[in-house]
Amino acid sequence: QVQLVQSGAEVKKPGASVRVSCKASGYMFTDYYLHWVRQAPGQGREWMGMINPSGGSTRFAQKFQGRVTMARDTSTSTVYMDLSSLKSEDTAVYYCARGGLASLGSPFDSWGQGTLVTVSS
Amino acid sequence: DIQMTQSPSSLSASVGDRVTITCRASQSISIYLNWYQQKPGKAPKLLIYAASSLQSGVPSRFSGSGSGTDFTLTISSLQPDDFANYFCQQSSSSPRTFGQGTEVEIK
Repeated sequence: QVQLVQSGAEVKKPGASVRVSCKASGYMFTDYYLHWVRQAPGQGREWMGMINPSGGSTRFAQKFQGRVTMARDTSTSTVYMDLSSLKSEDTAVYYCARGGLASLGSPFDSWGQGTLVTVSS
Repeated sequence: DIQMTQSPSSLSASVGDRVTITCRASQSISIYLNWYQQKPGKAPKLLIYAASSLQSGVPSRFSGSGSGTDFTLTISSLQPDDFANYFCQQSSSSPRTFGQGTEVEIK
């Protein structure tokens, strides 16, 4: 079955960077876009961006442009999300989620378990 | 960006009740509307995709309808396992955007 397993919780200081990983299994890794979504405490869900594991192309929400990068390692079926210049407002649970074969139109049919990133001095 | 307005933000209901949650898009999204369920500390679970298609394994008491800008999620007979947070998401255009969520609580 499809599984997305994320790395563990992180505590970072303001200004630092964080890397969250998402290891996929149970399907052909390069066939489906992977997305990143976050939810801050008491806030709504925010789409951060997506990566095409096949070619590595990425697209980011304007809000995170310049601060977020995404990469993939096809040998381990893992995608990475790096967020830099962390602020307290970046404290949130970060999820990876599997999209479809195309960049638009498809729902997120599987989600990782979430990774809590806490930004605190 | 497409704004998704979901209502109500919370509701109290009893087991066996019929529950309806609505989601409105700020512009037409055709049928590119998805519904998810999330329980505390758990990952979201896809319930309905493309406005009205039931995800495999999801009980048939869940249904979705709508197109264009107005959409509805209905739970025909609320079960104890259904008390959770429900949210909509549009997949018509980037950035993907979400409704604020509806907390379904036990009356």
